Amino acid sequence: NAGVMQNPRHLVRRRGQEARLRCSPMKGHSHVYWYRQLPEEGLKFMVYLQKENIIDESGMPKERFSAEFPKEGPSILRIQQVVRGDSAAYFCASSPTGTVARDYGYTFGSGTRLTVV
Amino acid sequence: ILNVEQSPQSLHVQEGDSTNFTCSFPSSNFYALHWYRWETAKSPEALFVMTLNGDEKKKGRISATLNTKEGYSYLYIKGSQPEDSATYLCAFDSGAGSYQLTFGKGTKLSVIP
Repeated sequence: NAGVMQNPRHLVRRRGQEARLRCSPMKGHSHVYWYRQLPEEGLKFMVYLQKENIIDESGMPKERFSAEFPKEGPSILRIQQVVRGDSAAYFCASSPTGTVARDYGYTFGSGTRLTVV
Repeated sequence: ILNVEQSPQSLHVQEGDSTNFTCSFPSSNFYALHWYRWETAKSPEALFVMTLNGDEKKKGRISATLNTKEGYSYLYIKGSQPEDSATYLCAFDSGAGSYQLTFGKGTKLSVIP
């Protein structure tokens, strides 16, 4: 029973390139949440998605960042034209419903560490 | 902007010592307070979700208390073991519709054998 799978674990991109981070939720989970941890900071909410829908993207930077969770396949967090300030650890969590996550806690992946050089 | 503070930032204890740390959060618009345990290179793991003022939860040697009126929660570890070494995160849920959590920066615990 695999947990939340994120890949790659480590990603190095040059400034101006695109970064694609993948999150496969636990089996049976249709809700996905992305969080970002900048150096010396706590986890910060970015976006909440259900299959084929973005529910809340209030934590996403307005430009260069996008997220999707298609009917088939993993959720993707895409960062276009990366800059040094995008270097961070990006975590994905999943739940069967929002209520379950709220009442019992979120199941997190191990994160993708993005380094922009 | 919601402010969730954890203290201390880090601490070192000897094996067998008991320890505790604090999470402070807004006392208004409270829905729940989460505690997570996060070992290096692994994923954060949910320990407790607490909702009621005065609530106390326990899992093995780890327990937590909640005071929603004054906006704080304590996490206690009794008889610390090296395997307890991890970062302990608390996260505030205001009950808003999108289920997002506001995390503190964590308390990093190192248990010295």
